[in-house]
Amino acid sequence: QVQLVQSGAEVKKPGASVRISCKTSGYTFSNYLIHWLRQAPGQSLEWMGCINGGNGNTKYSQKVQDRLTITRDASATAAYMELRSLGSEDTAMYYCVTRITKTYWGQGTLVTVSS
Amino acid sequence: DIVMTQSPLSLAVTPGDPASISCRSSQSLLHSNGKNYLDWYLQKPGQSPQLLIYLGSNRASGVPDRFSGSGSGTDFTLKISRVEAEDVGIYYCMQTLQSPITFGQGTRLEIK
Repeated sequence: QVQLVQSGAEVKKPGASVRISCKTSGYTFSNYLIHWLRQAPGQSLEWMGCINGGNGNTKYSQKVQDRLTITRDASATAAYMELRSLGSEDTAMYYCVTRITKTYWGQGTLVTVSS
Repeated sequence: DIVMTQSPLSLAVTPGDPASISCRSSQSLLHSNGKNYLDWYLQKPGQSPQLLIYLGSNRASGVPDRFSGSGSGTDFTLKISRVEAEDVGIYYCMQTLQSPITFGQGTRLEIK
């Protein structure tokens, strides 16, 4: 079955960077996009960007494009998200998501930015 | 970007009564393969969103049959035939036809 397993919770200081992994299984990684979403406390969901599992092409939200890099390792069927210059507004739950027939989500990674 | 508009933004329902939430998209979500790429989610307090309906009308595994999804193109509806106390939370529609993935504002369901 399709699974997306994310790395664990992170606590970071303002100005630091965070890297989250999303390891996938159960489907053909190179055929689909992986998206990264986030949800700040009490807020709605926000799309951050995506990567093509096959050719590695990326697309980013204008809001975070200067600070975000999404990569993938096709041989490991994994995707990664790195967000730099963290601020308190980046405290959120982060999710990787892929849409095959159904939409599949990782379990979420809580990132807390605090001094 | 595809804009998703939900209504109402909140509703209070008596247990046992039906409920309905509308979701409209600024562009058709109907793919050339005949599928509508529209999901419905419920986010209960303190939890991650849980998938209720995918491709507009397909109930996800384990979802009670009191939940149903309908619609095509730009107009979609989530119906709960008989609301139960455990159905409280925020309901979101989400389109996955195009990047960026976009969401409705959310509909908060409360029990009267």
